[in-house]
Amino acid sequence: ETGVTQTPRHLVMGMTNKKSLKCEQHLGHNAMYWYKQSAKKPLELMFVYSLEERVENNSVPSRFSPECPNSSHLFLHLHTLQPEDSALYLCASSQRGTAQNTGELFFGEGSRLTVL
Amino acid sequence: KNEVEQSPQNLTAQEGEFITINCSYSVGISALHWLQQHPGGGIVSLFMLSSGKKKHGRLIATINIQEKHSSLHITASHPRDSAVYICAVSLRGTSYGKLTFGQGTILTVHP
Repeated sequence: ETGVTQTPRHLVMGMTNKKSLKCEQHLGHNAMYWYKQSAKKPLELMFVYSLEERVENNSVPSRFSPECPNSSHLFLHLHTLQPEDSALYLCASSQRGTAQNTGELFFGEGSRLTVL
Repeated sequence: KNEVEQSPQNLTAQEGEFITINCSYSVGISALHWLQQHPGGGIVSLFMLSSGKKKHGRLIATINIQEKHSSLHITASHPRDSAVYICAVSLRGTSYGKLTFGQGTILTVHP
């Protein structure tokens, strides 16, 4: 138990569906992240939220839409996805430290997404 | 060429063996992370270091900033150590701890 909870753990959706991934952290951290892990590829940063403000969008297609309503919750809204978007989506949180540093990352278990 | 390179990509060991996984990076960093990912997918942070050496139980991580190289050592390896070990770096100059990841090392420890 890392203190970061993701739901659902598994999701299968069609290309025309709209779904959302949810992440909740119970650690009092002030930064939250979405990462994507595709088969045979390194983890890729998608979005960073710090103090509920999006501070990083790593050239992610608009069919992925993040939302951070408060410092404990992070969503990833999905619509009109493609089969190549099938991957493990990992949420993480950290306590942002000094300007050029970050605290240790705490990851959720991930949401495995399959797009048919 | 990736900014973070790990070797080996796959590693098989017998229980009790001493294991070393290497990580080299080509960018300026503020910190280096070693992460462990089990088959279920969840990732656990093992170490975050910016200099020297850290030890936790049977795990030891070292970093040489001048050579841009880090190693993760596992002493007296055990089958439960079987996992993917990932090296990641926090890029210097980014305020929000943007991480760049290596491709991971798949470790299998046989009893």
